[in-house]
Amino acid sequence: AQSVAQPEDQVNVAEGNPLTVKCTYSVSGNPYLFWYVQYPNRGLQFLLKYITGDNLVKGSYGFEAEFNKSQTSFHLKKPSALVSDSALYFCAVRAPMNNNAGNMLTFGGGTRLMVKP
Amino acid sequence: DAGITQSPRYKITETGRQVTLMCHQTWSHSYMFWYRQDLGHGLRLIYYSAAADITDKGEVPDGYVVSRSKTENFPLTLESATRSQTSVYFCASSESNRGGGYTFGSGTRLTVV
Repeated sequence: AQSVAQPEDQVNVAEGNPLTVKCTYSVSGNPYLFWYVQYPNRGLQFLLKYITGDNLVKGSYGFEAEFNKSQTSFHLKKPSALVSDSALYFCAVRAPMNNNAGNMLTFGGGTRLMVKP
Repeated sequence: DAGITQSPRYKITETGRQVTLMCHQTWSHSYMFWYRQDLGHGLRLIYYSAAADITDKGEVPDGYVVSRSKTENFPLTLESATRSQTSVYFCASSESNRGGGYTFGSGTRLTVV
């Protein structure tokens, strides 16, 4: 079974500082990895994904994530945080299986990012 | 969230009543999903559907029923609502391409009193 861990319930960072939101995963085979963001009273929005290729993936709003196969991690990063980045962030993994259940994303528990002015 | 619509946006119902949450997508995505989001539990999958007339249970299916007679619609029914079903419910859709992510609706906040 596949699983995702986001070890931090909340990350606090000052505006202008770099931010990292951590994610580790467990899956059989090569994973498909995703990051989503949720703003208050909204649905989840896609940020970026890793399927194959370059380990550093760039996404929306200046976010990027680095796939590390040996550490089974996919941490979300941004060089300079904005107050408007404050939101709930979810990491997700999908196994490369070709069946109905294999198309499911498994989500981590979420990490609340608080960026202070 | 254009293209996937959930209704109602907010709903208050009484214990024991049947309530149906609607989800409609305009992309003809093969896959559709229902999640509930609760504090401390993140997102939990209730049911999913790989295509019209194909549905399967997720992690927390008890007390819920789904149907998918048409590709674009995936309603979720609480047959006899309980207070433990108070939650925010999200519908999502996905192409069959395994590299595709999910697109989520804006959610339905359901309160069972």
